[in-house]
Amino acid sequence: AQKITQTQPGMFVQEKEAVTLDCTYDTSDPSYGLFWYKQPSSGEMIFLIYQGSYDQQNATEGRYSLNFQKARKSANLVISASQLGDSAMYFCAMMPYNTDKLIFGTGTRLQVFP
Amino acid sequence: DTGVSQDPRHKITKRGQNVTFRCDPISEHNRLYWYRQTLGQGPEFLTYFQNEAQLEKSRLLSDRFSAERPKGSFSTLEIQRTEQGDSAMYLCASSLVQGGADTQYFGPGTRLTVL
Repeated sequence: AQKITQTQPGMFVQEKEAVTLDCTYDTSDPSYGLFWYKQPSSGEMIFLIYQGSYDQQNATEGRYSLNFQKARKSANLVISASQLGDSAMYFCAMMPYNTDKLIFGTGTRLQVFP
Repeated sequence: DTGVSQDPRHKITKRGQNVTFRCDPISEHNRLYWYRQTLGQGPEFLTYFQNEAQLEKSRLLSDRFSAERPKGSFSTLEIQRTEQGDSAMYLCASSLVQGGADTQYFGPGTRLTVL
């Protein structure tokens, strides 16, 4: 079965600190992509970062980095220097390359406090 | 740079009525996806198009649901004889497939409430 697991329903972090949001995945496909999206209370899903299963280096996009551990099937999102505007739901998603659809986890609600 | 747009943003309807949602993708994108998101869950895939061809439909998409993308640009999702279980956020996404990552960009969603 292809599945994304996000075990943290909620996380708190103080402004300017770093935070790690956990994501593990299950797939038997050798080729896949891993994505993180942010969903503010307004509802739109905002693409943050992508990691391909064959990429040798961990992806980074500004304050976002993806800690990809293929053997452990984990793809944790690290947000550095948290800002109040980072408060939102965060979803990890996977796309096995033999399909064309994203499979999402249940999300983690991040709250950044001053 | 215009993103994905969806209309309406909110829809309240009575059980048994038909509703139609529209999605306008990013202009050069050839793929368009529909997802449904219920409270406390991540989005679930419903269907997708490459240009005007509908390539896959989820088992979640009952016979009451139909989607079209007639000219390979905008898409509509119609739900006939709505049920209370149809209440959800309906998200549209688009992507440009040209090898490499198929990164999907989402619209703001249409929140449907069936009374």
